[in-house]
Amino acid sequence: AQRVTQPEKLLSVFKGAPVELKCNYSYSGSPELFWYVQYSRQRLQLLLRHISRESIKGFTADLNKGETSFHLKKPFAQEEDSAMYYCALSSMDSSYKLIFGSGTRLLVRP
Amino acid sequence: KAGVTQTPRYLIKTRGQQVTLSCSPISGHRSVSWYQQTPGQGLQFLFEYFSETQRNKGNFPGRFSGRQFSNSRSEMNVSTLELGDSALYLCASSLEGEQYFGPGTRLTVT
Repeated sequence: AQRVTQPEKLLSVFKGAPVELKCNYSYSGSPELFWYVQYSRQRLQLLLRHISRESIKGFTADLNKGETSFHLKKPFAQEEDSAMYYCALSSMDSSYKLIFGSGTRLLVRP
Repeated sequence: KAGVTQTPRYLIKTRGQQVTLSCSPISGHRSVSWYQQTPGQGLQFLFEYFSETQRNKGNFPGRFSGRQFSNSRSEMNVSTLELGDSALYLCASSLEGEQYFGPGTRLTVT
């Protein structure tokens, strides 16, 4: 079965602390992995995708096929990082169907 | 470029009624996907349209339907509304594997 698991509903850290948002997936095949972010009162937006291997707003994520994980990391959290983060996967075919995790709320305290 | 727009933004309906939601994708995007977001089930894929054809469908009853027009605008329809259909309905348009989300339509069924 295709599934994305984000084990933490809430992650609270202090400003300047490292952040790791966990994401594990289950998929028979080679999926494409994404992280989406939703800031307060804003629409859902793409943060990064594994095939681009870019660092956005200081966040990085590495696809570990052995552990079927795609954890999101940032070395020094900022207050403006506080948001809802969703991990998602799609199959690498022509269809744009995203399977989302349940989301993790990141709270960065001053 | 203008972002994805959805109308209406808020809607209140009564059980048994039907509702039509509209989505205008980003200019040049030919794929439109729909998602339902609820506190209990999270973000769930409804269906995806590409060049007026449904390319993929999620696990929702037949009361949920959609269509896409030649200008890529899309509508989704829910017939015989149930209380459990209360949700935020998100539309996303896609280009080269990246999905851009609209602000959503908040549907409340009473």
